[in-house]
Amino acid sequence: QSVLTQPPSASGTPGQRVNFSCSGSSSNIGTNFVYWYQQFPGTAPKLLIYRNDRRPSGVPDRFSGSKSGTSASLAISGLRSEDEADYYCVAWDDSLRGGVFGTGTKVTVL
Amino acid sequence: EVQLVESGGGLVQPGRSLRLSCAASGFNFDDYAMHWVRQAPGKGLEWVSGINWNSGNIAYAETVMGRFTISRDNAKNSVFLQMNSLRAEDTALYYCVKGEGLILLHFDHWGQGALVTVSS
Repeated sequence: QSVLTQPPSASGTPGQRVNFSCSGSSSNIGTNFVYWYQQFPGTAPKLLIYRNDRRPSGVPDRFSGSKSGTSASLAISGLRSEDEADYYCVAWDDSLRGGVFGTGTKVTVL
Repeated sequence: EVQLVESGGGLVQPGRSLRLSCAASGFNFDDYAMHWVRQAPGKGLEWVSGINWNSGNIAYAETVMGRFTISRDNAKNSVFLQMNSLRAEDTALYYCVKGEGLILLHFDHWGQGALVTVSS
């Protein structure tokens, strides 16, 4: 079962900003780095944000990550149709001694 | 170019075993941890297991603990997942993933996945 909780869906019109959370606990997000992945149907996930708020080269600066306490957030500004995808957070959990993914958020561009 | 190629997936009966392999190329294999992440049909991502560069540190998800074993052969640039006592709920696409470290879940390269179907 997923230990990190995300809203199942988020939506916005082109150009808007969408923001959604990843809620955890002191043993995972509260202690360790958060990573975010983007996944399109039928394809492998792609690293979007690493170490809470850093972007790999090639990821547009429209995507930004943040972390505060036991929660993290992913924001997409200037929403575009090609941002329609599933987004997952993940962090290491010291109590479980394993990685824990979020439940996933499906972003829809209206 | 980094490549991760999984093999060994297939249809297996409940209670039986299967071994997944992942052949890596394009990077210094023994500098990195390797992980397995799975995705059941229509479901989200689940971290399964990870192994550090020298096999000295290994971890498993609670759902597979005691049934799955991860290992690696740095001489052959390969990582393996031995799956025993398979259950229907293990049915998923299994991704081989290159990681920065065991607890650093920086998965910058993923394989195409190996489909495991557990059914009688």
